[in-house]
Amino acid sequence: GESVGLHLPTLSVQEGDNSIINCAYSNSASDYFIWYKQESGKGPQFIIDIRSNMDKRQGQRVTVLLNKTVKHLSLQIAATQPGDSAVYFCAERARDSSYKLIFGSGTRLLVRP
Amino acid sequence: EPEVTQTPSHQVTQMGQEVILRCVPISNHLYFYWYRQILGQKVEFLVSFYNNEISEKSEIFDDQFSVERPDGSNFTLKIRSTKLEDSAMYFCASRSIAGGHYTGELFFGEGSRLTVL
Repeated sequence: GESVGLHLPTLSVQEGDNSIINCAYSNSASDYFIWYKQESGKGPQFIIDIRSNMDKRQGQRVTVLLNKTVKHLSLQIAATQPGDSAVYFCAERARDSSYKLIFGSGTRLLVRP
Repeated sequence: EPEVTQTPSHQVTQMGQEVILRCVPISNHLYFYWYRQILGQKVEFLVSFYNNEISEKSEIFDDQFSVERPDGSNFTLKIRSTKLEDSAMYFCASRSIAGGHYTGELFFGEGSRLTVL
């Protein structure tokens, strides 16, 4: 089963620094991974995705790294800004799924001015 | 920018009552989803819908739940007899067929908060 809880791990960074948010996924059959950002009172917002045949993908100020050997996903945010403060979720999708996403438990990113 | 809209933003209901949550997906999208998030917990998949039928559903989506696309614009989630544990934020999402199987652009609405007393 999945572990859930009320307490989110929190990453606090100084504005301008780089942030790295980590995620362990559960299903070795997952073929597609996505990072979402969720601001308070809002729905998840797509940030970046990566297919399982890739190790790295870059977007604007964000990079996602995938290590299938240890089932680990990371999100790197360059030059973190106050607007980046939010909860970040990784999500995985099973190969044969019709887009059933399994979300991780989330990490809260706090950006100090 | 096109967006998924949901109503109501917050609904309070008594246990055992029926609730209908409404969603207007983005107009050219063909895949529709409901997810929910119990306070402080993960976002959980409920159901996916394509071509006027359910394509996949989770174990949460039992006989008390149903979805419908009554017209060309709305997508609804009905809970027939609400339970206390149905209290959660319910998110509707949609995506385009463009990009095929791998597009990550699953657009979420801002959610409908359901409180069951």
